Formats: sequence, structure tokens, C-alpha cells
Amino acid sequence: AQSVTQPDIHITVSEGASLELRCNYSYGATPYLFWYVQSPGQGLQLLLKYFSGDTLVQGIKGFEAEFKRSQSSFNLRKPSVHWSDAAEYFCAVGGDNRDDKIIFGKGTRLHILP
Amino acid sequence: DTGVSQNPRHKITKRGQNVTFRCDPISEHNRLYWYRQTLGQGPEFLTYFQNEAQLEKSRLLSDRFSAERPKGSFSTLEIQRTEQGDSAMYLCASGEGHEQYFGPGTRLTVT
Repeated sequence: AQSVTQPDIHITVSEGASLELRCNYSYGATPYLFWYVQSPGQGLQLLLKYFSGDTLVQGIKGFEAEFKRSQSSFNLRKPSVHWSDAAEYFCAVGGDNRDDKIIFGKGTRLHILP
Repeated sequence: DTGVSQNPRHKITKRGQNVTFRCDPISEHNRLYWYRQTLGQGPEFLTYFQNEAQLEKSRLLSDRFSAERPKGSFSTLEIQRTEQGDSAMYLCASGEGHEQYFGPGTRLTVT
């Protein structure tokens, strides 16, 4: 069965500092991987996705993520965070059937220090 | 098209009452999903439609829950005899390819 682990419940970084949010997945075949962001009162917004090809994927808002099959990881990174990046971030995995539901991790809440 | 919309955005109800939520997907999407999100958790899959056919239901979807998508466009999620444990954010998403686009959610509070 598919599963996603986000080991950090809360992360605090200073504005302008770099960010890495960790995500590990469990899936028997090639996974479809996603990062979503949820701001207070807002819906889930897709930041980026990995289906195949280049293992370093670029997303919106300056985010990127790297797929590492050997580590079953899909960590999210940003070189310099902005106060507006404070939100909850969800890593998710989907199956290779395009109809598949998405399995979400429990999320990492990002706090930004001024 | 302005994306997935959900109504109402908030609903407060007393235990034992029935509630119904509506989701309007992105018009060209034929797949529609319902998820539930409780505090401190990620969204959990409830059910999925391809056009008007309900193709999968989670074990989370007890017999008090029913979802419909009568004409393959909007969908409704009804909860009968609500319980305090039903308090959550109910999210709808519509899909194209492998991507799902989420609405803002309906926050249900059962008192």
C-alpha cells in the first residue's frame, strides 16, 4: 500500500534562509509524487509534481524537489524563503493509474522568523 | 473557468442533523474526488467519480455518508445523523491526467 511520511511536524526558518522539507514514500512501482501547499483559509495548491524524467523538478514560487529512488525520498527545497511561504506543506503520492487517489502525508507546518 | 468551488464554506450543525455539501468541479474535468481533512492531518480519500459513476469508496465512508454526481457535473456529499467525529474539512478535487485541483473546502463543525 502507498504511504507518505513527513518526519517534521513543524519547521522554523528565518526569512532569507534556505529550506528543505523532508518526504519519504512507500510504493511498489514508479510513484507519481506531488508537493502541495495549504495556507490558512485557502485550498490546497499544487507546487510541483514528478512523474518521470529529470529527477530534479521545478515548481511554482521558486520551489524545487528532487526524486531519489534509492532513498525513497522527494524532498522539497527553496534557496531563500519569504514570509509569505509560511503555510502547511503536504507531500503526496499517487499510483501509475491516472484515476488513482492521492495519498497525503500528515504535513509540515513552516514558520518564518522575521 | 475559476477552478473548483465548494459550498457552503462553513457549516455548523447539531449532532444528529443531516448536512449536504456541494462541489462544482472544473468544467472539462470528468473525474471528481472527495477528501476529508481533520486537524493536524493530511487529506484522506473518501470517494471518487468518473463522470456520474462512483468508482471507489474508502472504508472511511460509513453508511451515513452518501455522494452523488447525477449528471457528471457537480457533486453532493451528504452526511446523515452527524456525529461530533464528523467535524472536519471536506475537500473536493477535480482531475485531469495525474493532477488533481482542489477546492477551498467546506469546514463542518458538529456541536
